[in-house]
Amino acid sequence: NAGVTQTPKFQVLKTGQSMTLQCAQDMNHNSMYWYRQDPGMGLRLIYYSASEGTTDKGEVPNGYNVSRLNKREFSLRLESAAPSQTSVYFCASSEEGRELYEQYFGPGTRLTVT
Amino acid sequence: DAKTTQPPSMDCAEGRAANLPCNHSTISGNEYVYWYRQIHSQGPQYIIHGLKNNETNEMASLIITEDRKSSTLILPHATLRDTAVYYCIVRVGSGGSNYKLTFGKGTLLTVNP
Repeated sequence: NAGVTQTPKFQVLKTGQSMTLQCAQDMNHNSMYWYRQDPGMGLRLIYYSASEGTTDKGEVPNGYNVSRLNKREFSLRLESAAPSQTSVYFCASSEEGRELYEQYFGPGTRLTVT
Repeated sequence: DAKTTQPPSMDCAEGRAANLPCNHSTISGNEYVYWYRQIHSQGPQYIIHGLKNNETNEMASLIITEDRKSSTLILPHATLRDTAVYYCIVRVGSGGSNYKLTFGKGTLLTVNP
C-alpha cells in the first residue's frame, strides 16, 4: 500500500504559467481533499470531493480547479499561477465511518511561483 | 465546528510524558475531539479521537474532561521523533455535508534530549 501519493514533489513556476498537481490513493477511499499550507500557518482546505464525480469548494478555492478523474485520482489545477499561490499543497483521502474522520495525507508538493 | 485554543509551543524532556492541552469550551454534544500531528515537512498524521470517554491507542492517550470543555493529549514516553506540531480539532463525527478538518496553528512540541 503506497497510501496517498503526490506528484511532483517540487515545482517552480513563473507568474501566469499553469500546472496540474496530481494525487492518487490506493485505499479505496471515497473522499479526497486538497489543502494548502503557508509558512507558519495551519492547513486550509481548497477543494474536496466526497465521492467520485462530485467536487465542492473549501475555504480558499479561488485560482484553482479540480478534477476527480476516478475513485483513485484527484487533481488540482492552477490555470494562471500567482506568487500568492506559493505554498505547500497536501492531498488527503478518507473513508467516513460512523464516527471517524481519519484523513490520510500525502507527502506534499512544494510550489514556488516567481 | 467548535473553536479550539492551544498553547503555541511546549517543551518536553525525552523519555518523559508530554501533556498537550486543548480548550474547546463551545463544543457541542455531537462533536468529537481529534488530534493530528505534523512532523516537519511531512503531511499531517492522525493520532487519536474521542467523544467523551478517555481513549488510548498505541500512539497516545486522550483525556477529555467531564464537561468536555477541554482535553489533554498524552504521549507517555516522548522521543525525539515526537517533535512536531500537534493539532486539536473539534467537529462532528459523521453526516452532513461539511467534510473539512479545520487546522489551526497547533502546538509545537519540542522534545529535548
